[in-house]
Amino acid sequence: AQSVTQPDIHITVSEGASLELRCNYSYGATPYLFWYVQSPGQGLQLLLKYFSGDTLVQGIKGFEAEFKRSQSSFNLRKPSVHWSDAAEYFCAVGARSNSGYALNFGKGTSLLVTP
Amino acid sequence: KAGVTQTPRYLIKTRGQQVTLSCSPISGHRSVSWYQQTPGQGLQFLFEYFSETQRNKGNFPGRFSGRQFSNSRSEMNVSTLELGDSALYLCASSSRDSRSGNTIYFGEGSWLTVV
Repeated sequence: AQSVTQPDIHITVSEGASLELRCNYSYGATPYLFWYVQSPGQGLQLLLKYFSGDTLVQGIKGFEAEFKRSQSSFNLRKPSVHWSDAAEYFCAVGARSNSGYALNFGKGTSLLVTP
Repeated sequence: KAGVTQTPRYLIKTRGQQVTLSCSPISGHRSVSWYQQTPGQGLQFLFEYFSETQRNKGNFPGRFSGRQFSNSRSEMNVSTLELGDSALYLCASSSRDSRSGNTIYFGEGSWLTVV
């Protein structure tokens, strides 16, 4: 069965510092991988996605992620964090089942940005 | 292009009642899926509808049901509400076409509180 693990429940970084959020997945085939961000009281906003091709993908708000098949990882990075990046971040893998399609989410990583 | 629209945004119901939530997908998207988000269980897939047919279903009791109309709009219904049904219910849509169809976009969610 597909699964997604986000090892870090909470991460605190200083504004301007670099950020890396970890994501490991378990999936039999080439996965569809996503990162979403959720601000308090809001829905999920898509940051970036990986389907195939270049393993380094660029997203919105200056985020990027690298797919590493050998490590079953899809870590999210940002070179310089802004206070507005404080939010909950979710990694997800898309999986097909019969005629349907669904996302399996990790438990999320809560990002706190300090001045 | 308008995003995924969910109504109502907030609602309070009493145990034993039923509730219906509505979702309008992004224009042109034919797949609508529903997710439940709670602090304890995280984001969990409920079901997916495509062309008015349920294509995929998560591990939820039969009290949770849904449907999709010919204009791709969807509703989900929860009958005999329990306190544990208090959650953020997220609707999502995707085009399901061969290129970008695996990308899922979320609405702002409907906050359900059961008292």
